[in-house]
Amino acid sequence: DQQVKQNSPSLSVQEGRISILNCDYTNSMFDYFLWYKKYPAEGPTFLISISSIKDKNEDGRFTVFLNKSAKHLSLHIVPSQPGDSAVYFCAARRRGSTLGRLYFGRGTQLTVWP
Amino acid sequence: NAGVMQNPRHLVRRRGQEARLRCSPMKGHSHVYWYRQLPEEGLKFMVYLQKENIIDESGMPKERFSAEFPKEGPSILRIQQVVRGDSAAYFCASSPQADSTDTQYFGPGTRLTVL
Repeated sequence: DQQVKQNSPSLSVQEGRISILNCDYTNSMFDYFLWYKKYPAEGPTFLISISSIKDKNEDGRFTVFLNKSAKHLSLHIVPSQPGDSAVYFCAARRRGSTLGRLYFGRGTQLTVWP
Repeated sequence: NAGVMQNPRHLVRRRGQEARLRCSPMKGHSHVYWYRQLPEEGLKFMVYLQKENIIDESGMPKERFSAEFPKEGPSILRIQQVVRGDSAAYFCASSPQADSTDTQYFGPGTRLTVL
C-alpha cells in the first residue's frame, strides 16, 4: 500500500531551466513532508521540508509547495544544474506521531543536461 | 562532525548465513531508524530504536530479523539465515529526537548480496 506516490520515474531538464518534481499522498494524517536527494551508492541527503501549516518553503534554488486539499506537493529547482542529477525521494510523516517513521515514494530520477 | 556511519558498506553472504549490519548515529543523536531499499523501490521503514529500547518494529519481518541499540556501541541490524530476497540496500538514519519536525539524517548504506 503505497501512501506516498511519485508517478514520474524520470525527468530530463536542460541546465538553467526549472525542474519540477511531483509527489502525491493518500494519508490525510501526514503533516510533515521532506525531500531527499540520492546519488548512486550513497545514502539519501536531506534537501528541504515543509510542515502542513505552510504552503511554501524556500531554500536557495529549492522551493517546496504543498497543496493539502489536493494532497500534492512539488519540489521546484531553479535554475537546474548538472550536479542536481540524482534520484529525488519524497517522504512524509504522520500527524501527532512521535514514532518518527517516514513513508517514502519510489523516487524520480532527475537528469539535468548541459 | 562525522555523519551517520554504517559498516560494512558491502556484505556478501551465502544463503543460510547470518548478516550483521552496524550503524553509528551522528554525535548527539539518540534515535536510530533502519530502512531497506529493494531495487527500483523507495525506502521502506523497518525499525525505530532509542538507546536500549525498540520503539517501533512494525516494519520489520517477524522472523529472522532483529535489531538493537545498546547503551554503548552502534546499533546492530541482524538477519539470520539469509535468503536471496534479503538482498537490498539497508540504510540507517538518526535524529536528535523524534518530534514532528525532526529531520532524519542517513548513512551511506550497507549493500547486502545473498548468493
